[in-house]
Amino acid sequence: RKEVEQDPGPFNVPEGATVAFNCTYSNSASQSFFWYRQDCRKEPKLLMSVYSSGNEDGRFTAQLNRASQYISLLIRDSKLSDSATYLCAVNKRNSGYALNFGKGTSLLVTP
Amino acid sequence: EAQVTQNPRYLITVTGKKLTVTCSQNMNHEYMSWYRQDPGLGLRQIYYSMNVEVTDKGDVPEGYKVSRKEKRNFPLILESPSPNQTSLYFCASSFVGQPYEQYFGPGTRLTVT
Repeated sequence: RKEVEQDPGPFNVPEGATVAFNCTYSNSASQSFFWYRQDCRKEPKLLMSVYSSGNEDGRFTAQLNRASQYISLLIRDSKLSDSATYLCAVNKRNSGYALNFGKGTSLLVTP
Repeated sequence: EAQVTQNPRYLITVTGKKLTVTCSQNMNHEYMSWYRQDPGLGLRQIYYSMNVEVTDKGDVPEGYKVSRKEKRNFPLILESPSPNQTSLYFCASSFVGQPYEQYFGPGTRLTVT
């Protein structure tokens, strides 16, 4: 099983829709989880950290399910500007500060 | 402005010609890392550094060298580039400690012919 896995998509959704992505991880001892956003050929930028209790930032909600070893990202009221690739990241086994990234999920929001 | 910078942003070179990609951060971060990103393979870590003079291999270190003589700089060296090192390279940095979000440089697109 790969360390971090994501459905590559693409997810094509209309403006205003709610969309959710999941990301599974294999290391049950992982402590840190993140969602990054990457626009085409640009650098990844941190979207949000994922806390055990779940967290929300405007239209974005991130949740952690330790029992099933996945994190999720929910985007409500999708905007055209949300079109991007969303990468999940989990700290590596035996290397607390290094991150394993998923390959990303592509989102296209259409008018 | 807090940032990670990389130079050059674009480079086309020939097989075997040594090159260095520089990375610099102005956030006083202890941790720095190099990744390469290839279609279908995602971001893969090449090398990382926990602090000055402390470096370690990532997942794909073959063909690369790094050094960390100063806290702010972490150059990536390709002693003898080969076409399979054609890729998009990102440098990243972070503080050491929870929740250690990593900040990425703008990327260097390298083509080796």
